[in-house]
Amino acid sequence: GNSVTQMEGPVTLSEEAFLTINCTYTATGYPSLFWYVQYPGEGLQLLLKATKADDKGSNKGFEATYRKETTSFHLEKGSVQVSDSAVYFCALSDPGGGADGLTFGKGTHLIIQP
Amino acid sequence: SAVISQKPSRDICQRGTSLTIQCQVDSQVTMMFWYRQQPGQSLTLIATANQGSEATYESGFVIDKFPISRPNLTFSTLTVSNMSPEDSSIYLCSVGDRGSNQPQHFGDGTRLSIL
Repeated sequence: GNSVTQMEGPVTLSEEAFLTINCTYTATGYPSLFWYVQYPGEGLQLLLKATKADDKGSNKGFEATYRKETTSFHLEKGSVQVSDSAVYFCALSDPGGGADGLTFGKGTHLIIQP
Repeated sequence: SAVISQKPSRDICQRGTSLTIQCQVDSQVTMMFWYRQQPGQSLTLIATANQGSEATYESGFVIDKFPISRPNLTFSTLTVSNMSPEDSSIYLCSVGDRGSNQPQHFGDGTRLSIL
């Protein structure tokens, strides 16, 4: 079955540091890949997505590239802010995106210190 | 993207009671999904709700415990039955469209505590 593995947290960084959160997946075929963010006390928000190999998703300074050869979708940001403190979830769905339930990683709690 | 409203946003319930959570979408959608997020954990899919048919449950979840209704293309309910403290979680509704490449969007969730 499908699975998503992401680095355990919490990850603590200083403001303006470079961020990488690793995510690897196991799936049949070519899944769609997503990063969702959950701010304290809120629901999940879609951060970015990629639907095929070598696609790069980007939003709010965050980027992730769909790497089929390494089955990875690592999240990066060049300069983090205190407001980026949240829990980040990597997720995948079968091709088609909207028709199937998502498989989530365990989440990475990111803490940015001023 | 679709706007998803969940009610209630939070509740505290007594052991042995049941609670029905509502999910309302501002546009017609093919697929609606219910997830559970236990404290400090990731999200786990409970079931997929299709209009006009019975919900499809994931392994470990059964209809008697989590009955679901999907009366039309903009609304669904999830009932958590005969609750115990282990059911204390955030329950989230999400929506998607069959055959679409668009990602799922989530409501803000229902924070449920069982005493």
